[in-house]
Amino acid sequence: SQKIEQNSEALNIQEGKTATLTCNYTNYSPAYLQWYRQDPGRGPVFLLLIRENEKEKRKERLKVTFDTTLKQSLFHITASQPADSATYLCALDLYNTDKLIFGTGTRLQVFP
Amino acid sequence: GAGVSQTPSNKVTEKGKYVELRCDPISGHTALYWYRQSLGQGPEFLIYFQGTGAADDSGLPNDRFFAVRPEGSVSTLKIQRTERGDSAVYLCASSPGTSGGKSGELFFGEGSRLTVL
Repeated sequence: SQKIEQNSEALNIQEGKTATLTCNYTNYSPAYLQWYRQDPGRGPVFLLLIRENEKEKRKERLKVTFDTTLKQSLFHITASQPADSATYLCALDLYNTDKLIFGTGTRLQVFP
Repeated sequence: GAGVSQTPSNKVTEKGKYVELRCDPISGHTALYWYRQSLGQGPEFLIYFQGTGAADDSGLPNDRFFAVRPEGSVSTLKIQRTERGDSAVYLCASSPGTSGGKSGELFFGEGSRLTVL
């Protein structure tokens, strides 16, 4: 069956450390993979998009990797801050459709 | 406004009632999406419009759910004979490109929280 898996348990890290979140998928062939941030009671907000032929993408303190062999994306936040605390969602953009398929999200908590 | 606007922000209704949720996308965005999000879950795709037409309605759970976008801008999600299991946050998103998500990001509204008693 088709699945997108993100760690359902919250990730708790100390301020200043690097947070690494994982997105694994099975039986999908994504053209793109996107990462979104969602705060409680708010809609998701786009962060980064990476194409299947790109290994890595960076934006300020954010870095995303995409390994289509492992069927995995890693999302890194360096020098994390308490303001980075939120739920992070990965989403697959498939070749044969224009809809995004979302994972369940991972909640990140950054402690001062 | 500059963003995607959804109304109402909260709706409480009784089982069996009819509900309409409205989405006003970013001006000029041709693609419009409806998602449903339950607590602790990611957004679940419902339907996607390209202009006035529903390009993909494969996510609508059953025939009690229907959505329209008559003039290619505002969209309404309609739920008939609501059930307790319909309780969720209904998210609307828009995108500028003719190829939807592949043109880049989706811009989400804040959602309409539906509670069916």
